[in-house]
Amino acid sequence: EAGVTQFPSHSVIEKGQTVTLRCDPISGHDNLYWYRRVMGKEIKFLLHFVKESKQDESGMPNNRFLAERTGGTYSTLKVQPAELEDSGVYFCASSQDPRLREFGGANVLTFGAGSRLTVL
Amino acid sequence: SQQGEEDPQALSIQEGENATMNCSYKTSINNLQWYRQNSGRGLVHLILIRSNEREKHSGRLRVTLDTSKKSSSLLITASRAADTASYFCATDARMARTGANNLFFGTGTRLTVIP
Repeated sequence: EAGVTQFPSHSVIEKGQTVTLRCDPISGHDNLYWYRRVMGKEIKFLLHFVKESKQDESGMPNNRFLAERTGGTYSTLKVQPAELEDSGVYFCASSQDPRLREFGGANVLTFGAGSRLTVL
Repeated sequence: SQQGEEDPQALSIQEGENATMNCSYKTSINNLQWYRQNSGRGLVHLILIRSNEREKHSGRLRVTLDTSKKSSSLLITASRAADTASYFCATDARMARTGANNLFFGTGTRLTVIP
């Protein structure tokens, strides 16, 4: 079974430019999450999709960030225009519908390897 | 913030020793999970403990949960060099503002096991 795939693995851009990160979740996983880790700090929740709908986007920093999940499959996270403080590692994770899960329905996430964003 | 806080931030031990990492959190939870991250890789789920459980074992891992103190600990026994990684606790909690359940992670403990 393929895992969660993220692209690119590393992106270096200049302040003011645009970057789009992509996440392909595990096939059949309705839940898709974006997290971000800034150097040495906590892994911060950004948003949660259930299929193509945004269930919770309360962690999105500001309106320079736009996440989409058209068709409920892969997701993109666009940062436009990028600022220096946007640098960090962006993780995507997915999980099954609660009714299909192991762990008695608990939400256990499968993560991608992350996309490291460096804004110069 | 609902994120957990791991303690210590970094831990260095000799191979064969035990490693203990602690996690504190702020709100009531459904369960608490521990994840591991090797450098340059994604987080991998290790073990889950529910809010009504006090202790859980899985191989060389032992997790405890004290909901009255809002804290958890992860013990790795007989550590190996391959255990070198960052370890994160994650709390499964309901966000008051949205009513949605999400996993909230802490800052992590960087464990180095010296061969």
